[in-house]
Amino acid sequence: NAGVMQNPRHLVRRRGQEARLRCSPMKGHSHVYWYRQLPEEGLKFMVYLQKENIIDESGMPKERFSAEFPKEGPSILRIQQVVRGDSAAYFCASSPLRQGAGNIQYFGAGTRLSVL
Amino acid sequence: DAKTTQPPSMDCAEGRAANLPCNHSTISGNEYVYWYRQIHSQGPQYIIHGLKNNETNEMASLIITEDRKSSTLILPHATLRDTAVYYCIAGQGGSEKLVFGKGTKLTVNP
Repeated sequence: NAGVMQNPRHLVRRRGQEARLRCSPMKGHSHVYWYRQLPEEGLKFMVYLQKENIIDESGMPKERFSAEFPKEGPSILRIQQVVRGDSAAYFCASSPLRQGAGNIQYFGAGTRLSVL
Repeated sequence: DAKTTQPPSMDCAEGRAANLPCNHSTISGNEYVYWYRQIHSQGPQYIIHGLKNNETNEMASLIITEDRKSSTLILPHATLRDTAVYYCIAGQGGSEKLVFGKGTKLTVNP
């Protein structure tokens, strides 16, 4: 069973460009989460999605950031008009739909975004 | 979600048990205790979780006090590859976000 797949592993963008980060959850998982880790800082929650629905986007910056998890295909985190402060590691996690047994999230290897 | 408190760093000798404490004095009755670790810059790795009872799996043991206000993660025979930042997180059992604190940086020494 393949783990959570993120691509690309490394992404370099110039200021003002768009960044698109992809995440394929583990097979059978219907919940996807995105976290950001700025250099030398801890992980911060960004957004939680189920198929075709955004459940919690309380950690998303108000502008330039968006996320989707379509019926078919991977989840996408999109950052428009990137700035240097967007340089970070972006981690995706997935979990199965399972109530009453704890919420175990499985993380991908991350995408390292560098903005020049 | 309840706040957790962990020591910023710990050292352990290779082959010895590593005991990582966590305080979660405001934990509510339906909140689980989760442990994750992050080795260098890799993605966080799930270790173990529990609600009330002590738990053990192939990676570690989790000891939760009877009043549930604190817990200890035990790595029975630490290896150099266990050097990582360990995060203790209190959260409900539903499908919601994990709130990561600063964790404990465990260094396993040869």
